[in-house]
Amino acid sequence: EAQVTQNPRYLITVTGKKLTVTCSQNMNHEYMSWYRQDPGLGLRQIYYSMNVEVTDKGDVPEGYKVSRKEKRNFPLILESPSPNQTSLYFCASSWRDPKNIQYFGAGTRLSVL
Amino acid sequence: EDQVTQSPEALRLQEGESSSLNCSYTVSGLRGLFWYRQDPGKGPEFLFTLYSAGEEKEKERLKATLTKKESFLHITAPKPEDSATYLCAVHAGNNRKLIWGLGTSLAVNP
Repeated sequence: EAQVTQNPRYLITVTGKKLTVTCSQNMNHEYMSWYRQDPGLGLRQIYYSMNVEVTDKGDVPEGYKVSRKEKRNFPLILESPSPNQTSLYFCASSWRDPKNIQYFGAGTRLSVL
Repeated sequence: EDQVTQSPEALRLQEGESSSLNCSYTVSGLRGLFWYRQDPGKGPEFLFTLYSAGEEKEKERLKATLTKKESFLHITAPKPEDSATYLCAVHAGNNRKLIWGLGTSLAVNP
């Protein structure tokens, strides 16, 4: 079954404690991206990757890091989380580039206290 | 500046009451317009892609249309299970990302 898997689904942490949200896809997609979704602000892209070792900033990259060492995995790293990073996060993947259908993960709800 | 605006923000319908959702866009060089459906607490799910003015696509009770300025998502005789947030996104020019609207939250009462 084609899918994008994110873990964890729910996470409560404290300010400054480094965390990683994992994302894995089994469709051999080249394009992957991370979004955050906040009420009234919609989906905002954090980072995207066109392929292995190729990443670039989206609209709201501050406070986040990513890496793309393997085609299937695209982890999101918060090195020093702050309360304003409390949000619902989605990983997505698509074939080649964003003009193709994007497949989304189930989401990670993060609370930073 | 490239922009995507969806209206209305929220819509409440009675079961069977047809209506339309709007997505207006201002972009340079449209390469594709997408409609996604999002259920509460879940990731968006793809519905349609439209590429050029005049194009239409249908799926069950949903029909998407595209003009040079906007797209409509027509919902015919909706059922409660059509309740969701409907998101519109545009891919334009040489951008390596989509431009998303804020969505229309649809509630269909039985």
